Amino acid sequence: DGGITQSPKYLFRKEGQNVTLSCEQNLNHDAMYWYRQDPGQGLRLIYYSQIVNDFQKGDIAEGYSVSREKKESFPLTVTSAQKNPTAFYLCASSPPGFVGEKLFFGSGTQLSVL
Amino acid sequence: GNSVTQMEGPVTLSEEAFLTINCTYTATGYPSLFWYVQYPGEGLQLLLKATKADDKGSNKGFEATYRKETTSFHLEKGSVQVSDSAVYFCALSEDAGNMLTFGGGTRLMVKP
Repeated sequence: DGGITQSPKYLFRKEGQNVTLSCEQNLNHDAMYWYRQDPGQGLRLIYYSQIVNDFQKGDIAEGYSVSREKKESFPLTVTSAQKNPTAFYLCASSPPGFVGEKLFFGSGTQLSVL
Repeated sequence: GNSVTQMEGPVTLSEEAFLTINCTYTATGYPSLFWYVQYPGEGLQLLLKATKADDKGSNKGFEATYRKETTSFHLEKGSVQVSDSAVYFCALSEDAGNMLTFGGGTRLMVKP
């Protein structure tokens, strides 16, 4: 079955530590996205990539970094510069064209600070 | 810029009650509108959409009508079930390839 796989489901970060969230898709989608979800707030876009080896900052990119070396993979690193990293992180992908109706989401990673 | 405003939750209903979740938007052009649903511990799934004024999107008993005059896209269902308990997000997108703008989400809890 095609889909988006995020791992791990739960992740804990110590102070000053960088952590990496994995996102893999086998849908052959060109575009991939990372969103942050905080309780009671909408999804906020962190980074997105429309093609391999290219990515753009979203609305809240500070303290995060990404890479897009393969079409299937779009890992997100939460750096020590992100002072409030506790949130639910969602990865998504879409084919070319109209994003809204063709956006597929993974099951998310809950990141917490120890 | 674009924005989406949803009613705050949680919304708590008994099974078979009528549901309305309000959504209003601000956009510079003529956006397409969407409702996404997030079941516990999962990502979001597209529930329904409408791409132009007066269009009605519908799916799984849920409906929403694109009202340009009131810039609204309220979600309704005539008779909710316990299995409808989830968080519902209203969203808009103006152009092909454009990013989605999401509302804050409304949690629905349906009690037997």
